[in-house]
Amino acid sequence: GAVVSQHPSRVICKSGTSVKIECRSLDFQATTMFWYRQFPKQSLMLMATSNEGSKATYEQGVEKDKFLINHASLTLSTLTVTSAHPEDSSFYICSAQKVQRGLREQYFGPGTRLTVT
Amino acid sequence: AQSVTQLDSHVSVSEGTPVLLRCNYSSSYSPSLFWYVQHPNKGLQLLLKYTSAATLVKGINGFEAEFKKSETSFHLTKPSAHMSDAAEYFCVVTAAAGNKLTFGGGTRVLVKP
Repeated sequence: GAVVSQHPSRVICKSGTSVKIECRSLDFQATTMFWYRQFPKQSLMLMATSNEGSKATYEQGVEKDKFLINHASLTLSTLTVTSAHPEDSSFYICSAQKVQRGLREQYFGPGTRLTVT
Repeated sequence: AQSVTQLDSHVSVSEGTPVLLRCNYSSSYSPSLFWYVQHPNKGLQLLLKYTSAATLVKGINGFEAEFKKSETSFHLTKPSAHMSDAAEYFCVVTAAAGNKLTFGGGTRVLVKP
């Protein structure tokens, strides 16, 4: 199997505070994980690529100082939204890349609904 | 560079009738193509994928898609819609040698009883 979990599934935080979201690959190791953001009724937009043991690669327009990514182990990547504002409210989805017989495939977590009040 | 266009933002079908979700892509490289389904407030589930093998790909829950290089299309079909098929569907492309996924805008499917 290839199961990816996210924690928490929902979080509400006050404006100006920080919130951390965890993404775990439960039954495989993932040197690469991805973070996406999905606004209501919209598609998924890639925010950043998280590489184990190195700095994340951010997509154009994504503030790296606001969205801190740490990929400290082969099964865990975290996304910290710093100094959150209401416009950061969104559905955040991670994926973990599994490499098998030379093929790379992404497996998605169930998502985290962030609401900033 | 790669991009995906889902030609319909909404599709409404009656239960038991065929479903067609249209997807066109562009890619500088030999693409891999995917269809994912997302139920409300849920993550993504892979329906099927094309990775340069057979052009007609069969997936889960009775879905299938055909890769047509000449038309740069990868349309998703199902012969008979079920109420549980009501969801958002995403067509996704990635370069065969790459690992970044590019998502289409999504098609919301409504199934009427």
